[in-house]
Amino acid sequence: ETGVTQTPRHLVMGMTNKKSLKCEQHLGHNAMYWYKQSAKKPLELMFVYSLEERVENNSVPSRFSPECPNSSHLFLHLHTLQPEDSALYLCASSQDPLAGDPYNEQFFGPGTRLTVL
Amino acid sequence: AQSVAQPEDQVNVAEGNPLTVKCTYSVSGNPYLFWYVQYPNRGLQFLLKYITGDNLVKGSYGFEAEFNKSQTSFHLKKPSALVSDSALYFCAVRGINDYKLSFGAGTTVTVRA
Repeated sequence: ETGVTQTPRHLVMGMTNKKSLKCEQHLGHNAMYWYKQSAKKPLELMFVYSLEERVENNSVPSRFSPECPNSSHLFLHLHTLQPEDSALYLCASSQDPLAGDPYNEQFFGPGTRLTVL
Repeated sequence: AQSVAQPEDQVNVAEGNPLTVKCTYSVSGNPYLFWYVQYPNRGLQFLLKYITGDNLVKGSYGFEAEFNKSQTSFHLKKPSALVSDSALYFCAVRGINDYKLSFGAGTTVTVRA
């Protein structure tokens, strides 16, 4: 596997379910990100982890719970979601732009298409 | 607060013609600017980035971008478009000391044969 991988690629869940999204990066990066991409809206940054420590949480509801057990893996735990949470969830990674080269670009995974019924 | 504007929702060009996708930005201090492309059911792919001092940046797949500080613009260009360039294009900006990458709403490019 190369780059950034995400599983599952598609997920359908009810509002009372609990599920998790998984992201893995094979690029040796030390920062990882979760984004939400909804139709007709710009990409929204949700969370940022650097060296396994959460450094940003952009006012995301508590029904989304991130976890970063090591620098290669990132999870997004989902519980009691709402239909408006249906979207494409994108994971990205980079070298930490604040700890090194500020021009470091982010590399994105293919995303998980989430549908909440 | 930083922000990006992509004034055109859609750009349509004929194959072989030049392609331009517009982007203007607002950020405090030096801007860190990026272009990404998204094909259907795929994640974002990095195209190019602005490095201070290089007003014309060359990137992947024959794309380039022109940085204009006075107009706070970073327009994406390709001299001769291909049908395979049809996709959704995003401009993004990050400020100094900021993890957050702010994206524009995206521009859908359609290249007709």
